[in-house]
Amino acid sequence: RKEVEQDPGPFNVPEGATVAFNCTYSNSASQSFFWYRQDCRKEPKLLMSVYSSGNEDGRFTAQLNRASQYISLLIRDSKLSDSATYLCVVNMEYGNKLVFGAGTILRVKS
Amino acid sequence: EPEVTQTPSHQVTQMGQEVILRCVPISNHLYFYWYRQILGQKVEFLVSFYNNEISEKSEIFDDQFSVERPDGSNFTLKIRSTKLEDSAMYFCANQGAVNSPLHFGNGTRLTVT
Repeated sequence: RKEVEQDPGPFNVPEGATVAFNCTYSNSASQSFFWYRQDCRKEPKLLMSVYSSGNEDGRFTAQLNRASQYISLLIRDSKLSDSATYLCVVNMEYGNKLVFGAGTILRVKS
Repeated sequence: EPEVTQTPSHQVTQMGQEVILRCVPISNHLYFYWYRQILGQKVEFLVSFYNNEISEKSEIFDDQFSVERPDGSNFTLKIRSTKLEDSAMYFCANQGAVNSPLHFGNGTRLTVT
C-alpha cells in the first residue's frame, strides 16, 4: 500500500459546484495532516492543516477519519481560481518526514 | 509573510557536472527539507536536516547528494555528478516546529543535458 494515496482525477466541475477529495494514508500512527495546492510549475502552498475534530476555512472544509485512515477536503461554491492540483500531505511516524500524495487535479469551468 | 528564497530559479548543467542549489530559510525555523518534483510526477522527499545534521533521507538521496548550512543561514543541496534523471524542480522547505506545516521556496528548475 502506498504511504499516501489520492485519486488523480481530473475532477471537471462547473463554477459554483461542490467537490470533495479523499486521501488515504498507510501509517496509523501519523499525527500531522495537511492539504496543499499546487499551480502548474509552482511550489506547493499550504491550503489548510487538518485537525482531529475537522476544520473549516471559508469555502474549504477538511476532515480526518483516523479509524479508516483518510482525510478529506470539501470545496463549496467552486471558483475558476480553485483550478489547481490538490496535494495531501501526511507525516510518517518515523522521524519528521512529510510525505506527499500524487495530487488530485481540479478544473473548474465557467 | 516571511518567505523561503531559492537561487537560482533555473540551472542548466551538463551531465557529470556538480551543482549547488541554495536556499535562504525563514529565520528561527529550525527544520529544513529538500524535495524534488520531476515534471508531471509527485513531490518526493529527499532529506530533512535539523541541528546541523541530517535527520532523515530517502533512497533517492544517495552518495551523489549532500546538504549543509555553511554559514548558519543558507541551506544548500549539492549534487556531485549530475545525471540526466536529476532533471527536476528542487524545492527547499522550512518548518518552525515538529508537526507544523512546511513553507516552500519557489523552487530551482534543474535541467541536465
